[in-house]
Parts: sequence; structure tokens; C-alpha cells
Amino acid sequence: AQSVAQPEDQVNVAEGNPLTVKCTYSVSGNPYLFWYVQYPNRGLQFLLKYITGDNLVKGSYGFEAEFNKSQTSFHLKKPSALVSDSALYFCAVYDGATNKLIFGTGTLLAVQP
Amino acid sequence: DTGVSQNPRHKITKRGQNVTFRCDPISEHNRLYWYRQTLGQGPEFLTYFQNEAQLEKSRLLSDRFSAERPKGSFSTLEIQRTEQGDSAMYLCASSRPGLRINEQFFGPGTRLTVL
Repeated sequence: AQSVAQPEDQVNVAEGNPLTVKCTYSVSGNPYLFWYVQYPNRGLQFLLKYITGDNLVKGSYGFEAEFNKSQTSFHLKKPSALVSDSALYFCAVYDGATNKLIFGTGTLLAVQP
Repeated sequence: DTGVSQNPRHKITKRGQNVTFRCDPISEHNRLYWYRQTLGQGPEFLTYFQNEAQLEKSRLLSDRFSAERPKGSFSTLEIQRTEQGDSAMYLCASSRPGLRINEQFFGPGTRLTVL
């Protein structure tokens, strides 16, 4: 069965510092991985995806994610955090058998000014 | 893209009542998904349509839940005889056709509160 895990419920970072939001995956077959962000009272917004190719994936709003097959990880990163990046971040894996996304439990990112 | 829209945005109902939610996907998207999200959790898959065909249903979708997409455009999700445990955010998403694994675009959700 496909699954993702987000080991941190919350990540705190100071504005201007680099940020990392962690995600590990467990899949049978090739992993197809996604990051979404959810702001209060808004739907999930797509940030980036890894399907194949380069292990470093660049996405929206200056975010990037590093796919690491040996560590089965897909961590979300940004070189310099903004207060406006404060939101709930979800990692997800695509299940090809059912065409659904399987989400992690989410990580709340708090960026302090 | 005008985005995925969902109506209503909020619904408060009494236990035992029926409710219906509507989702309008992005116009050229033939795939439509329903998810449910409870507080502190990630979205959980409920069902999936390709055009008007409902191709996948989660075991989470009890007999009280039914979804339709009659003309392959908008979709409705109906919950009959609502229970307090149905209180959640119901999210709709759509994605483009094709062989590629395309990202799903989500609507703002309908928040259901069952009293």
C-alpha cells in the first residue's frame, strides 16, 4: 500500500532562514510525489511534483523539493522563508491503481518575523 | 483557469437531514475527485469520476453517500441521514485528461457541520 509520513506536526523558522518540511514515503513501484499548501479557509494549492527525472524539483513561490530514493524521502525546502509562507503543508503520493492522492497528516509551518 | 468552485461553502444541518454539495471543475478537466478532510488530518479520498463514469469509490463512502456527475461536467455529493461524524470539510478536485500524471486542482471546500 502507498503511504507518506510527515514526522513533524509543526515547524518553526525565523523569516529569512532556510526551511525544510520533511516527508518520507512508502510505495510499491515508482513513487509519484506531490506537495500542496493550504492557507486558512482556502483549498489546497499545488506546489510541485516529482514524477521522474531530476531529483531536485522546483515549484511555485520559490519552493523546491529533493527526491532521495535511498532514504525514501521527499523533503520540501526554501532557501529564505517569508512570513507569508506560514500555512499547512501536505505531502502526497499518487496511487496509480485508483487515481487518487494519498496525503500525509500535514505540517504546520510558522515563520516568525 | 477560473478554478474549481464548490457550493455551498458552509452547511450547518441537523442530524438525520440530507445534504447535497455541488462541485464545478475547471472546464477542460475530465477527471473529478471528492475528498474529505477532518481537523488535524490530511484529505482522504472518497470517489473519482472520469467524465460521467464513477470509476473508484473508497470504503469510507458508506451507503449514505452518493455522488453523481451526470453530464461529465459538474458533480454532486449527497449525504443522506447525516450523522455527527460526517462533520468535515468536503473537497473537490479536478485534473486534466491524458496519460501523464497531472496535478489535481482543488476547490475551496464545503464545510459541513452536523448538529
